[in-house]
Amino acid sequence: KAGVTQTPRYLIKTRGQQVTLSCSPISGHRSVSWYQQTPGQGLQFLFEYFSETQRNKGNFPGRFSGRQFSNSRSEMNVSTLELGDSALYLCASRESFGTSTDTQYFGPGTRLTVL
Amino acid sequence: GQNIDQPTEMTATEGAIVQINCTYQTSGFNGLFWYQQHAGEAPTFLSYNVLDGLEEKGRFSSFLSRSKGYSYLLLKELQMKDSASYLCAGLDSNYQLIWGAGTKLIIKP
Repeated sequence: KAGVTQTPRYLIKTRGQQVTLSCSPISGHRSVSWYQQTPGQGLQFLFEYFSETQRNKGNFPGRFSGRQFSNSRSEMNVSTLELGDSALYLCASRESFGTSTDTQYFGPGTRLTVL
Repeated sequence: GQNIDQPTEMTATEGAIVQINCTYQTSGFNGLFWYQQHAGEAPTFLSYNVLDGLEEKGRFSSFLSRSKGYSYLLLKELQMKDSASYLCAGLDSNYQLIWGAGTKLIIKP
């Protein structure tokens, strides 16, 4: 199976702009999670979608939003970009919850730079 | 509360053995994961422990003690390519992953 894919891989924006990132999960995976990672920091959880519904949300401002489509592909949007939003944005998919296969697999990430 | 603690940085010598510890406190617990992340890359899955005990996968082993809220990742025969961050994550009662800040492992020749 193909792995998790994310587009674009690199993005440069200026303050005040908005950006949309895309994630395609592994075929058959219905859960998609998004994370933000800044240099030297751990993974900061943004949100998780399962079957087009947001099931968990982290502590990020409302400028960060997401959605999931019927084919399980997911997008996240950041509006009114700030310099501090510069980070690696990672998407991870998993097949199910609470089973022996409950494992998240990560995409390569989108590196966002805000100038 | 939910908390995952692991050392910030460790240094080891090529060819040696290193143990990276992780302690957790979660509201409910459904397993513990270890991931490896090289600089600038995405995390890759190493292990998933649900039951107590040691699981071995080649040079890497992971141990879990649910009663003690404790896990460790053991890396044997260290190679330079093992230089990376190692992330510990607990699966809480809502099946959400709670992540530690990661342990940066530096391997010296």
